[in-house]
Amino acid sequence: AQSVTQLDSHVSVSEGTPVLLRCNYSSSYSPSLFWYVQHPNKGLQLLLKYTSAATLVKGINGFEAEFKKSETSFHLTKPSAHMSDAAEYFCVVQSPGGKLIFGQGTELSVKP
Amino acid sequence: KAGVTQTPRYLIKTRGQQVTLSCSPISGHRSVSWYQQTPGQGLQFLFEYFSETQRNKGNFPGRFSGRQFSNSRSEMNVSTLELGDSALYLCASSLGTLTTNEKLFFGSGTQLSVL
Repeated sequence: AQSVTQLDSHVSVSEGTPVLLRCNYSSSYSPSLFWYVQHPNKGLQLLLKYTSAATLVKGINGFEAEFKKSETSFHLTKPSAHMSDAAEYFCVVQSPGGKLIFGQGTELSVKP
Repeated sequence: KAGVTQTPRYLIKTRGQQVTLSCSPISGHRSVSWYQQTPGQGLQFLFEYFSETQRNKGNFPGRFSGRQFSNSRSEMNVSTLELGDSALYLCASSLGTLTTNEKLFFGSGTQLSVL
C-alpha cells in the first residue's frame, strides 16, 4: 500500500527567507511523486513531479524538490519566499494503477 | 485555450436528494478524474474516466457514480445525499490516462453543501 505524510500542517516564513515543506512517502514500488499548490478558491496546480529520472526536480515559480529514497522523503524547497507563495501545498504519491494519494496538505503563510 | 470548467460553482441540496456535477475538460484532453476535498478527510480520489470508460475508482460507496461522453465531458452523480457529502468536488483533465504521469489540469471545483 502507498501513503504520504506531510509533516507540518502549517508553516510560516518571512518574505525573502527559505521555504521547506516536508513530505515522507511509503511505497512498495518505485513511486511517482508530485507537489501541487492550491490558492484560495482555486483548483490545484502542478508545481513539479518526480518519475524516476533526476532526483532533484525543478518546478515552476522557483520551487524544487529532492527525492531521497533512503529517507523516503520528497521535501519541497524554495530559496526565497514571496507573498504570492501563500497557499496550501499537497504532496501526492501515485499508485502503479494511476490512483493519486494526497497528503493532508501544508498551509504556507508568508509574512511581510 | 479554455481551462477545465466545472458547473455549477456552488450547490445546496438536502439530505436524500441526488446531485449531478459537470466537468468540461481542456479541448483535446481525453482523461477526466474526480476528487473530493473536505476539511476532515482532505483530498481523495473518486474515479477516472478515459475514452468513456472508467479506468480507476477510489474507495467511495456506490452512491457516487460518473460517466464520460464522447466529447470527453464528464458528469459525476451522487445519489441519496448525506451530510458528510458536503465537500468541494474537483475534476482534472489530462491528455493521457493517470498512469502516463501527464500533467493534470484542475478546475476550480463545485462546492456542494448538504443540509
